[in-house]
Amino acid sequence: GQNIDQPTEMTATEGAIVQINCTYQTSGFNGLFWYQQHAGEAPTFLSYNVLDGLEEKGRFSSFLSRSKGYSYLLLKELQMKDSASYLCAVPYGGYNKLIFGAGTRLAVHP
Amino acid sequence: DSGVTQTPKHLITATGQRVTLRCSPRSGDLSVYWYQQSLDQGLQFLIQYYNGEERAKGNILERFSAQQFPDLHSELNLSSLELGDSALYFCASSVADSQDGEAFFGQGTRLTVV
Repeated sequence: GQNIDQPTEMTATEGAIVQINCTYQTSGFNGLFWYQQHAGEAPTFLSYNVLDGLEEKGRFSSFLSRSKGYSYLLLKELQMKDSASYLCAVPYGGYNKLIFGAGTRLAVHP
Repeated sequence: DSGVTQTPKHLITATGQRVTLRCSPRSGDLSVYWYQQSLDQGLQFLIQYYNGEERAKGNILERFSAQQFPDLHSELNLSSLELGDSALYFCASSVADSQDGEAFFGQGTRLTVV
């Protein structure tokens, strides 16, 4: 079966760095997604990792270790607008279905 | 703006009723995905259509059905509504017949069943 675990909530200070972890169990690995979702709004794509290692995209980076079933999203130079939920997701049943974690709600304080 | 349009934005209806949610994908996208997001369940995949054909099904109830029309817009039909169906319903679209890349989400339809 498929299972994704993320911390429920995190808090951080403006300008700091925060790491949001995600562990997953999946039968057959087809990559891992990170999405950002502000309250009541649509999820927006952040990253898609297929291979091990760190991928950097501006202030956001995503890391994947397939052997450990582990990923993290690293947010640098935090801004107030980064306060949102961060959703980890993996495809299952081939590439067509995405199973999402419950999301990590990040609160950034001044 | 993702380019995916969902209507209506808000819908309030009574138990037992039927509603239709509409989604227009981004120009050029052939795949449409429907998701349900409730407070206690998170984001749940319901169903996917690609170029008019059903391609994948998630935990979609039998009371729910969907279709994709020749112009590629899609409709999600929810019938015999129950209080527990109250949720945000999102539509997403992508070019390919798979979620191995970025999918673009619409702003959602907030359904409240009273």
